[in-house]
Amino acid sequence: TQLLEQSPQFLSIQEGENLTVYCNSSSVFSSLQWYRQEPGEGPVLLVTVVTGGEVKKLKRLTFQFGDARKDSSLHITAAQTGDTGLYLCAGDSNYKLTFGKGTLLTVNP
Amino acid sequence: NAGVTQTPKFQVLKTGQSMTLQCAQDMNHNSMYWYRQDPGMGLRLIYYSASEGTTDKGEVPNGYNVSRLNKREFSLRLESAAPSQTSVYFCASSEGPSYEQYFGPGTRLTVT
Repeated sequence: TQLLEQSPQFLSIQEGENLTVYCNSSSVFSSLQWYRQEPGEGPVLLVTVVTGGEVKKLKRLTFQFGDARKDSSLHITAAQTGDTGLYLCAGDSNYKLTFGKGTLLTVNP
Repeated sequence: NAGVTQTPKFQVLKTGQSMTLQCAQDMNHNSMYWYRQDPGMGLRLIYYSASEGTTDKGEVPNGYNVSRLNKREFSLRLESAAPSQTSVYFCASSEGPSYEQYFGPGTRLTVT
């Protein structure tokens, strides 16, 4: 079983702060997806990273895939209350996605 | 496009009762999935169907059965519900096994 460890499990910050959440594994993934899940809804894809070392930006969100394709990070600049949610990473290996347990982010006004 | 739809949204069952959760997608996706989500446990795959006509067990299949009725529909059946099956159930679909997954709104199931 491929395991994805996400840290921190919980994060509570003030609006305007920066933050980074992590997704780590001992396994190599051919790609890695990041999802955000808002309360009462299903997860929605934010980005897919495929190449080792790849960096993708989505407005204030920056995603990085590790050189060895075993880990990834999500950095949010100047967090807003609308960023509140559960952030899930999912690694693709052998045509199967494995989800991490997520980081629950709360951005306080 | 409705995307992925699930019914019902909420359900309360007594131990031993049976029920079927319905899922349909209108995106012509080949692959469909059933997950359960519990606090602190993340999303755990129950069953998946890589393509129409095939189904396979995921991480936590015990106590569940599935049917890929056609390309659009994938149902999840609990034959004899147990309190341990209290959870939020999500259906998802994708073009193929490694592609982006699109999730439904979830079914909140309570077994008493």
